[in-house]
Amino acid sequence: DTAVSQTPKYLVTQMGNDKSIKCEQNLGHDTMYWYKQDSKKFLKIMFSYNNKELIINETVPNRFSPKSPDKAHLNLHINSLELGDSAVYFCASSRGRGLFFGSGTQLSVL
Amino acid sequence: RKEVEQDPGPFNVPEGATVAFNCTYSNSASQSFFWYRQDCRKEPKLLMSVYSSGNEDGRFTAQLNRASQYISLLIRDSKLSDSATYLCVVTGYSGGGADGLTFGKGTHLIIQP
Repeated sequence: DTAVSQTPKYLVTQMGNDKSIKCEQNLGHDTMYWYKQDSKKFLKIMFSYNNKELIINETVPNRFSPKSPDKAHLNLHINSLELGDSAVYFCASSRGRGLFFGSGTQLSVL
Repeated sequence: RKEVEQDPGPFNVPEGATVAFNCTYSNSASQSFFWYRQDCRKEPKLLMSVYSSGNEDGRFTAQLNRASQYISLLIRDSKLSDSATYLCVVTGYSGGGADGLTFGKGTHLIIQP
């Protein structure tokens, strides 16, 4: 029933590891996003995909690679994790006005 | 000048009071405006869109002032459950879709009993 679901909810890992976060939406939306919210609670867009095509790619290290196998899924893979990657990552989708967010993935890099 | 600016607060307000906060934006070509609410450790959720003529939803009223480039949110008869962070969101000049959304840093509101 969840409109935008992302997994895992919590991710604790060591520096240097590679990890992935998955996102799925069942709203039939064409556009999906990844946002990062840091410790100061600032929510910043990372990527936007429209019908599996990359639309927005903000200044994000190339260690971050989004993958959209279909328009209902947008996964985020992170290579060589760094301490500064610790944050909450939100997936979102939209069709026109307004965003619907997933519940977030809290990533802690030790 | 930052793209979207908000007073971070916190605003400490007694229950039942009326509270208002503003958000200023720098891009005069901005097309759409929203208020989102984010509870602690939760995802942001759309509270209301902001229309040029102003709009009301229950105890919440949103206003847009294009000339001065700000939007406002007014909460009447505040409830304890209104305690949250309120995020101002502005879209860029990109055809009215949700692309190019820019979030403010949010205003933290605490309603006190």
